[in-house]
Amino acid sequence: NAGVTQTPKFRVLKTGQSMTLLCAQDMNHEYMYWYRQDPGMGLRLIHYSVGEGTTAKGEVPDGYNVSRLKKQNFLLGLESAAPSQTSVYFCASSWDKISYEQYFGPGTRLTVT
Amino acid sequence: DAKTTQPTSMDCAEGRAANLPCNHSTISGNEYVYWYRQIHSQGPQYIIHGLKNNETNEMASLIITEDRKSSTLILPHATLRDTAVYYCIAGDYKLSFGAGTTVTVRA
Repeated sequence: NAGVTQTPKFRVLKTGQSMTLLCAQDMNHEYMYWYRQDPGMGLRLIHYSVGEGTTAKGEVPDGYNVSRLKKQNFLLGLESAAPSQTSVYFCASSWDKISYEQYFGPGTRLTVT
Repeated sequence: DAKTTQPTSMDCAEGRAANLPCNHSTISGNEYVYWYRQIHSQGPQYIIHGLKNNETNEMASLIITEDRKSSTLILPHATLRDTAVYYCIAGDYKLSFGAGTTVTVRA
C-alpha cells in the first residue's frame, strides 16, 4: 500500500515551459487535492476534485489546470511556467469531505528560472 | 474558513506534555477544527480533528472550549520526533493552512 505518490520529486523549468505533475493514490479515495507551499508559509489549496471526472478551484488556481480522468490519479498542469510558481507542490487525498483526514504525498519541488 | 491564530513558536521538554493553543473565534457551527503537523519538508500529517466534543487518539488529545472559539492540542509525552510545525485549521475539507506553530522538543 503505497498511499499517495507524486511524480516527479524535483523539476527545474525555464519560464514559459509547460509540465504536468502526477499524483496517484491507491486507497480508493474520492477526494483529491493539490496544494502549494512557498518558503516559510503554510500550504494553499490550488485545485481539488470530489470524484472522478470532477474538478474545482481552490484558493490560488490561476496559472494551473487539473484533470481527474481516473479515480486514482490527479494531474496538475502548468501551461506556461512563471518564476512565481517556484514552490513545493503537495498532493493529498481523503475518503470524504468532512469526517476523514487528508493523506499527503511527499511533495514535488519545482523551480522556475 | 475561519481565521486561526497560533503562537509562532514554542519549546517543550522531552517527556513532558506539550499544550498547543489555537484561537478560532470566527468559526461557524458546521466547521471542524483540524490539527496537522509537518516534519522538516515532508507532507503534512493528520493528527486529530473535532467539531464540539473533546477528542483523543493514539497521537494526541484535542480540547475544544464550549463556545468553540479556541482549542488546545495536547501531546501527552513529547519526544524529539514530535519536533515539527503544527497547524490548526478551522473550516471544511478545503483546508487553509496558516503559518502554524514551530514546536521544538528539547532533551
